[in-house]
Amino acid sequence: NAGVTQTPKFRVLKTGQSMTLLCAQDMNHEYMYWYRQDPGMGLRLIHYSVGEGTTAKGEVPDGYNVSRLKKQNFLLGLESAAPSQTSVYFCASSPLGGAGGIDTQYFGPGTRLTVL
Amino acid sequence: DAKTTQPNSMESNEEEPVHLPCNHSTISGTDYIHWYRQLPSQGPEYVIHGLTSNVNNRMASLAIAEDRKSSTLILHRATLRDAAVYYCIRFNSNSGYALNFGKGTSLLVTP
Repeated sequence: NAGVTQTPKFRVLKTGQSMTLLCAQDMNHEYMYWYRQDPGMGLRLIHYSVGEGTTAKGEVPDGYNVSRLKKQNFLLGLESAAPSQTSVYFCASSPLGGAGGIDTQYFGPGTRLTVL
Repeated sequence: DAKTTQPNSMESNEEEPVHLPCNHSTISGTDYIHWYRQLPSQGPEYVIHGLTSNVNNRMASLAIAEDRKSSTLILHRATLRDAAVYYCIRFNSNSGYALNFGKGTSLLVTP
């Protein structure tokens, strides 16, 4: 049981390049999330999904796209990377989606992205 | 306002108990208190959560004040591996899906 895995672990991009971050979970969770973490700031939600085939915008969605074609995978895409997208990206999954406030989110190890 | 207030940092000696405080004076009746921690260079990890009663699990204990305006995460015997940033989060079914991590408390454990 690997939990939540993310690939790649590190990546350096040049401004304008594109890339896709992959998140996979083996816990059969319905809900999946993408956060970013910047120095001195907490985690901020980029996009989330409430089930296979669904996606929705979070707090900071601009410049990112997501897809959830399979229940276990949640992809985060950067179409044209900018230096402001330099950050650590965390994927998470949860079984209940916040229902009643008792949900627990399980996080991956993160992807450290640098955009030059 | 879903904010909580925590000290920026705390320090503890190894094998001693640690009490991490959190203030949530504007908490609503449906808000659960969740604690997560983030070890260096890792993703956040769930620790414990509660509503009104004190809670215990294998990682920690959570003591919630009677008026629910504050809570304390208790690590009974700190180890070097417990050095992390600890986040206290208010969460209910109206919070949406995002956990509001804030800045947390950075715990330093010294041998």
